[in-house]
Formats: sequence, C-alpha cells, structure tokens
Amino acid sequence: QSVLTQPPSASGTPGQRVTISCSGSSSNIGSNTVNWYQQLPGTAPKLLIYSNNQRPSGVPDRFSGSKSGTSASLAISGLQSEDEADYYCAAWDDSLNGHVVFGGGTKLTVL
Amino acid sequence: EVQLVESGGGLVQPGGSLRLSCAASGFTFSGYAMHWVRQAPGKGLEYVSVISSNGGSTYYANSVKGRFTISRDNSKNTLYLQMGSLRAEDTAVYYCARALLVWTSEFDYWGQGTLVTVSS
Repeated sequence: QSVLTQPPSASGTPGQRVTISCSGSSSNIGSNTVNWYQQLPGTAPKLLIYSNNQRPSGVPDRFSGSKSGTSASLAISGLQSEDEADYYCAAWDDSLNGHVVFGGGTKLTVL
Repeated sequence: EVQLVESGGGLVQPGGSLRLSCAASGFTFSGYAMHWVRQAPGKGLEYVSVISSNGGSTYYANSVKGRFTISRDNSKNTLYLQMGSLRAEDTAVYYCARALLVWTSEFDYWGQGTLVTVSS
C-alpha cells in the first residue's frame, strides 16, 4: 500500500487530454512539493515534472502538473503513442525522520 | 553528459550479502546528495536510502534499516550500497539517483539500474 494514492490505470486516444491524480496527506503533498516521473517500458524513471508544475528542459509542454492542498495532478494533452508508460508521483514526507514517498504508479495506455 | 552506472547486482542466497556500486560522471559528484530507489519485478518504486553530499548524513527506509549501509567515495565519484541479511523481498532493480538535497523527492538523473535477485 503506497502512501500516495494514484489510479492504477488510465487511458486515452491519440490527441486526447488525460489526467492522473495523486492523493496524499498534510505530511507529504500538503507541505512539500510534488514531482512526477515517467517510466517507459524497460527503462529507468525519468523526471517529468518537478516542484509541482515545472518541466525539465526537453520535456514537451504537453505535460503539465498542478497541486492543490493534499492532492496533485499530472495532465497530458495531445496524447501520443509514445506517452504510453508508467507514471509515478513522489513527495517528501515530514513524518517520522522524513523520507520520500511514491505513488503506486499509473499505467497509461494509448488506445 | 551526466551518467550514473550501477553495477554489482546478481543472484544471492537468502541471508547473503551484496555490494552495489554507482559510478558517476559528467558532474561534480561531491556537490550532490545521492539516493537509492528500488523496484520489485512488476511493482512500483520504493525509496531505499540517501546519503548527503559529504557523506555525513544518511537515511534508510524501515524495510532495510540495520541491514543495508549506504556510503560514498567522492574521490572515486562512486556511491555504494552494502546489502546484508538479504531476503526474498529485497529482489528488485536498484537504481541510484542524483538530487541537490537530501530532503527531496526531486531526482533529476537516474542510472539504468542493476537487478538483485535473492533466491535459493
């Protein structure tokens, strides 16, 4: 059971807009920034969104992030076949001695 | 170009030990905290451990505390994870990842991972 809650799956057709949610608590998302990772099949995770809504250099502006309270969302517009991947949210958690928590991951299928 | 290359994975019996390495290049290694994250086959990401840039601070997930030791050699640009008393549930791909801070979930570069299989 992951500390951050994501839907296990999401899907869309090419060109559509899809969103993936990430729900946490006051000790993680509520008090720290959220980062999103994209993991293509058979590869290492890649930083997709940092500090809630910032895109690293090279990440298309089709990807966007937002945060409100203890929840965050990743939106992908103009869905493309190469976006088919697993997506993970992550945040620092202030409980105990502090640690990183991940969502369980969302498998995005492009139909 | 930033590169992180893990090595040292393999098949080990339950109760055994293994040392993973992560060789860094293309950046000032001593300026970054380094983290280990693992992923069991077909499962999600699990945070394992972190070490500060100078090695003075470390943290371990409860699942590995007392069994794993993280360390680094800044003169060799290398991160290590000494794994002991290994269990079947430690079977995973182990990734090293770079971050500016210890207290962050923002990992801007990841290695390709090394597979550890704990089985008799």
